[in-house]
Amino acid sequence: QSALTQPASVSGSPGQSITISCTGTSSDIDAYNYVSWYQQYPGKAPKLMIYDVSNRPSGVSNRFSGSKSGNTASLTISGLQAEDEADYYCSSYTSSSTLGVFGTGTTVTVL
Amino acid sequence: EVQLLESGGGLVQPGGSLRLSCAASGFTFSSFAMGWVRQAPGRGLQWVSSISSGGGSTFYADSVKGRVTVSRDNSKNTLYLQMNTLRAEDTAVYYCAKERHSWSGSSQDYWGQGTRVTVSS
Repeated sequence: QSALTQPASVSGSPGQSITISCTGTSSDIDAYNYVSWYQQYPGKAPKLMIYDVSNRPSGVSNRFSGSKSGNTASLTISGLQAEDEADYYCSSYTSSSTLGVFGTGTTVTVL
Repeated sequence: EVQLLESGGGLVQPGGSLRLSCAASGFTFSSFAMGWVRQAPGRGLQWVSSISSGGGSTFYADSVKGRVTVSRDNSKNTLYLQMNTLRAEDTAVYYCAKERHSWSGSSQDYWGQGTRVTVSS
């Protein structure tokens, strides 16, 4: 199972909005509404930010939102803040594997 | 408060074995699938293995199949990963993760702090 494709890096200025894409196939993102997004700071464990395409766990800022169109999912961070600087990974349920599949990861830089 | 505490990592020679443990608390352990995800130095996240809530179904990444066994003891709220015939490419931080459902692959809502495994002579 190949990893989902994400841009290596995305940057933005404080207050701006950025969007991270996550491209999969007809076997994963396009087929299921089980897309998740994780935030990871260096040396720390991943944190769930979005599940089931667009749902936020309790405690996650509403500046984070998720969506999906066809085989591409997106994470949008609005009102970008310095604390949003981290790595972000998407993941999806997939018919190709019982384990799910992660994205390649995106480093967000706040300019 | 949900807590996942991994242990058992360390330095091991190629061909050696390690057993990782993950002690869970703060939720009904037996109701949720659990998994192991690893991250090699400077690399992304990679699924290693997962196990259904009752332990009856186990799943493995192709890269570890035949060398790794996942298990759980619901009476002790503990998840295990027995790793044999370790290779240099198994060097990574191994995270224990709780699934949101009794089955695997949708999303993982809680993660442990990770335990480092280094395979080197």
